Amino acid sequence: NAGVTQTPKFRILKIGQSMTLQCTQDMNHNYMYWYRQDPGMGLKLIYYSVGAGITDKGEVPNGYNVSRSTTEDFPLRLELAAPSQTSVYFCASRRRRDSYEQYFGPGTRLTVT
Amino acid sequence: QKEVEQNSGPLSVPEGAIASLNCTYSDRGSQSFFWYRQYSGKSPELIMFIYSNGDKEDGRFTAQLNKASQYVSLLIRDSQPSDSATYLCAVNTNAGKSTFGDGTTLTVKP
Repeated sequence: NAGVTQTPKFRILKIGQSMTLQCTQDMNHNYMYWYRQDPGMGLKLIYYSVGAGITDKGEVPNGYNVSRSTTEDFPLRLELAAPSQTSVYFCASRRRRDSYEQYFGPGTRLTVT
Repeated sequence: QKEVEQNSGPLSVPEGAIASLNCTYSDRGSQSFFWYRQYSGKSPELIMFIYSNGDKEDGRFTAQLNKASQYVSLLIRDSQPSDSATYLCAVNTNAGKSTFGDGTTLTVKP
């Protein structure tokens, strides 16, 4: 199993550009999450999904969109990038609601200038 | 008030000492509680979880939960330099979402 994979590892965007952060898991997990982590801070939940076709907002959804057309993939879309979106983005998955462990991907470091 | 608060740190302990990390949470409906370790530039990894009041031990790590006081802690015994990392407290609600604290950075000095 590759676990949770994320691409790209690093990206620099100009203000106003758009991009999609990719996240794939091969563990057949139902729950998937997108977090952002600013320097010296904890993780803030952006969006999450409890299964294919179902998504919901987290704490900080503004400026982002997600889709979940398959169990494996949970891409995060940034439209009109802003400097405030400079952060490290982590994708995570969990088998089901009462599973204790979240498995994290390696992260994507995004800089918007 | 933040939903999950951790002692701000940084925390520095000598090798072999006990490191104590604390976390409080505001949602009384929280179901389960987690401690993640995050090395610089890496993703978080789960080291302990607890869901019942009391203590839970795993090797050198002990998690303590007091739901009445809305308090969870992590003790690391015989601290090693390899324990130097940021420790994140996370709290799960019944909806399956996790809320994280801002982390406490621990340095273990040889």
